[in-house]
Amino acid sequence: GAVVSQHPSWVICKSGTSVKIECRSLDFQATTMFWYRQFPKQSLMLMATSNEGSKATYEQGVEKDKFLINHASLTLSTLTVTSAHPEDSSFYICSAKGSALGGELFFGEGSRLTVL
Amino acid sequence: GESVGLHLPTLSVQEGDNSIINCAYSNSASDYFIWYKQESGKGPQFIIDIRSNMDKRQGQRVTVLLNKTVKHLSLQIAATQPGDSAVYFCAGTWSGNQFYFGTGTSLTVIP
Repeated sequence: GAVVSQHPSWVICKSGTSVKIECRSLDFQATTMFWYRQFPKQSLMLMATSNEGSKATYEQGVEKDKFLINHASLTLSTLTVTSAHPEDSSFYICSAKGSALGGELFFGEGSRLTVL
Repeated sequence: GESVGLHLPTLSVQEGDNSIINCAYSNSASDYFIWYKQESGKGPQFIIDIRSNMDKRQGQRVTVLLNKTVKHLSLQIAATQPGDSAVYFCAGTWSGNQFYFGTGTSLTVIP
């Protein structure tokens, strides 16, 4: 199956710093990528939908200036958590959907962010 | 609002028994559903999918049943093994682009 890679898998940062998480589709072109946030023992919460070459569409309640999403190519989307605070600590997961692959979503392995 | 939700947050089964995980959805326009398995600290892993023009689909040890009349789908795992212990999510789409996830069911297999 298609592979989606996330990096880093785990990052620890100080409060006030910014952290960038990358999501790459390794063997297909992802026209659409999704970013999710997941708290312990909870479901995935969709944060934003990212289409290549256009601005991301954010879900209600998600601060676009806080969570910057860039989808500059068909194989790469990045999520930047700006001025991170402890409450931003979470598991961030991306998924990718390629038009050539039908409707299936392929997920990355997730990135655990811990803000001290 | 639209929702895809699960009936039970936890499920414990004996090794070798069959497991059934349920999911309800509210939007009758939903046309594509996926079941995912998520192990601790990892991203969701695709298990099986089903489109709304089907009512049953089988994979290796797994079967998904879709009942559009009552807007319900289920995941059946045959001969459950300890490696099946994980959280299972259903996800549905009715926009053709975005997927919304249920709350998840934590499956524990007792050896």
